[in-house]
Amino acid sequence: AQTVTQSQPEMSVQEAETVTLSCTYDTSESDYYLFWYKQPPSRQMILVIRQEAYKQQNATENRFSVNFQKAAKSFSLKISDSQLGDAAMYFCASGTSGTYKYIFGTGTRLKVLA
Amino acid sequence: EAGVAQSPRYKIIEKRQSVAFWCNPISGHATLYWYQQILGQGPKLLIQFQNNGVVDDSQLPKDRFSAERLKGVDSTLKIQPAKLEDSAVYLCASSTRTSGSRETQYFGPGTRLLVL
Repeated sequence: AQTVTQSQPEMSVQEAETVTLSCTYDTSESDYYLFWYKQPPSRQMILVIRQEAYKQQNATENRFSVNFQKAAKSFSLKISDSQLGDAAMYFCASGTSGTYKYIFGTGTRLKVLA
Repeated sequence: EAGVAQSPRYKIIEKRQSVAFWCNPISGHATLYWYQQILGQGPKLLIQFQNNGVVDDSQLPKDRFSAERLKGVDSTLKIQPAKLEDSAVYLCASSTRTSGSRETQYFGPGTRLLVL
């Protein structure tokens, strides 16, 4: 069975600073992928970044990057130059190629302070 | 490209009443998902369709929840009768499922249900 754990219920960051959100996962699958989704107060989930497990290179999307540690089953999200619009709930999720099912963590609420 | 559409956005009902939610996925997306998101938790998969067939409904409370996806496009999720613990946001998502490594789910805005 897959599990995803986000141990930080809430994080705060000053505008323009950098923040890292933590995520650990557990899976017995060999072909899997990991995601970070953002959910602003309007409730629409938006894909932030994805990482295929077979890729050693960490994914990057503009100000968002991940630190994927496969052996440690860790998948953290780094947000650089934080902006007020980054304030949201962030969910870590894992999926497997066979079932296409996603398992979500409980989320981390990110507050951006002006 | 239009996103995943859901309606209604909000619904308030009394317990033991029934309610239905509608979802229109992104055009061409074969796979459709319904999730339940209780306040303070991550989304939990209720049911997954591939075209108009059910792939996974292992976490759907079948005594009160039902879902269908006629013609492999739109989908409806029904709760009958509703219980207080059904209060949640119901999210619909769709994906192309063209290959395992590139499959990404796109979410709709959700329907917020309050059962009194």
